[in-house]
Amino acid sequence: LAKTTQPISMDSYEGQEVNITCSHNNIATNDYITWYQQFPSQGPRFIIQGYKTKVTNEVASLFIPADRKSSTLSLPRVSLSDTAVYYCLVGDAPGSARQLTFGSGTQLTVLP
Amino acid sequence: DVKVTQSSRYLVKRTGEKVFLECVQDMDHENMFWYRQDPGLGLRLIYFSYDVKMKEKGDIPEGYSVSREKKERFSLILESASTNQTSMYLCASSGAQAIRAFFGQGTRLTVV
Repeated sequence: LAKTTQPISMDSYEGQEVNITCSHNNIATNDYITWYQQFPSQGPRFIIQGYKTKVTNEVASLFIPADRKSSTLSLPRVSLSDTAVYYCLVGDAPGSARQLTFGSGTQLTVLP
Repeated sequence: DVKVTQSSRYLVKRTGEKVFLECVQDMDHENMFWYRQDPGLGLRLIYFSYDVKMKEKGDIPEGYSVSREKKERFSLILESASTNQTSMYLCASSGAQAIRAFFGQGTRLTVV
């Protein structure tokens, strides 16, 4: 399994764009990159998934360079309610258990 | 709305008791997962199941067993609860080819 490395914590202010980078140097050809968000006392919630280049949905964007050894989750104009832990996951085949190996995550704190 | 329901939010059990944690999903998903989450350790996979009566060990199966007699239900069993099994337990499910997993709200188990 490709190991992921993320910053332990980040602080931001309301209205700013936040970029959280994840390193996954040993990513395999079949691996997808997935991000989850977790609020205290809740289960993680899926944010976005991608394989290469850029993916955007109503919540976030995911940037993946050509070598796929890292990825960046971009949250536009964060609010206080975006304070949460963000997990980067790398694994193969959608729906596979290998896709759901969590690291320690990044604690994002949005300040007023 | 998709739903993964865990039978209890909070549970207190005594050392040596047999403990059952129940999880039910209403999405007809093939895959179901049990995790435990501890401060500083992130989410760790205990067991997963990709079909009825099928199960696979995750990263930390010791001291746990599981049962999946029906597609919608996945049970985690602590045969003889110990204090080091005090933790937040999270259940998740995903479709065979789905890109995302859905998590329950979690069960905070305290073993005294």
